Amino acid sequence: AQSVTQLGSHVSVSEGALVLLRCNYSSSVPPYLFWYVQYPNQGLQLLLKYTSAATLVKGINGFEAEFKKSETSFHLTKPSAHMSDAAEYFCALLFSGGGADGLTFGKGTHLIIQP
Amino acid sequence: DTGVSQDPRHKITKRGQNVTFRCDPISEHNRLYWYRQTLGQGPEFLTYFQNEAQLEKSRLLSDRFSAERPKGSFSTLEIQRTEQGDSAMYLCASSLGQGGDTQYFGPGTRLTVL
Repeated sequence: AQSVTQLGSHVSVSEGALVLLRCNYSSSVPPYLFWYVQYPNQGLQLLLKYTSAATLVKGINGFEAEFKKSETSFHLTKPSAHMSDAAEYFCALLFSGGGADGLTFGKGTHLIIQP
Repeated sequence: DTGVSQDPRHKITKRGQNVTFRCDPISEHNRLYWYRQTLGQGPEFLTYFQNEAQLEKSRLLSDRFSAERPKGSFSTLEIQRTEQGDSAMYLCASSLGQGGDTQYFGPGTRLTVL
């Protein structure tokens, strides 16, 4: 069965510092991988997705993620944190066999930006 | 593009009552998904539709949960005989309908069972 593990339920960085949110997955077949962001009392917004094209994926708001098959990882990074980045971030997985199931989400990482 | 909408945004009910939530997907999207999100957790997949056909329902939490999408447009999720453990955010998402398509989420319905 597929699964997603997000290391660190809370991550705190200073404004302007590097953001690194970790995601590891388990899947028996090549997956599609996603990062979503959730602001308080709102639905989830897609940041970026990996669909077996380029391993380095660029998303919105300056975020990017790199798919590393050997490490079964899909970590999210941003070079310089902004106060508006404070939110909950979810890594999610979908089988590339496509559509038979919904997304499998990690438990989320709460990103805190210190001024 | 008005996005995915859900109604109501908040629902407070007493234990044992039935509740129904509505989801209106993005108009050209064929697939519609329901998820449940409890506090401090990621969303948990419940069920999904391809047009009006419900293709996966084994993940529904119990037989008290049911979903419909009668004309392949909006969908409803019903919970019968609600329990306090049903308190959660219920999220709806839609996608075009191909493998790997982005799922676009609505704002959710927050259910509180007293």
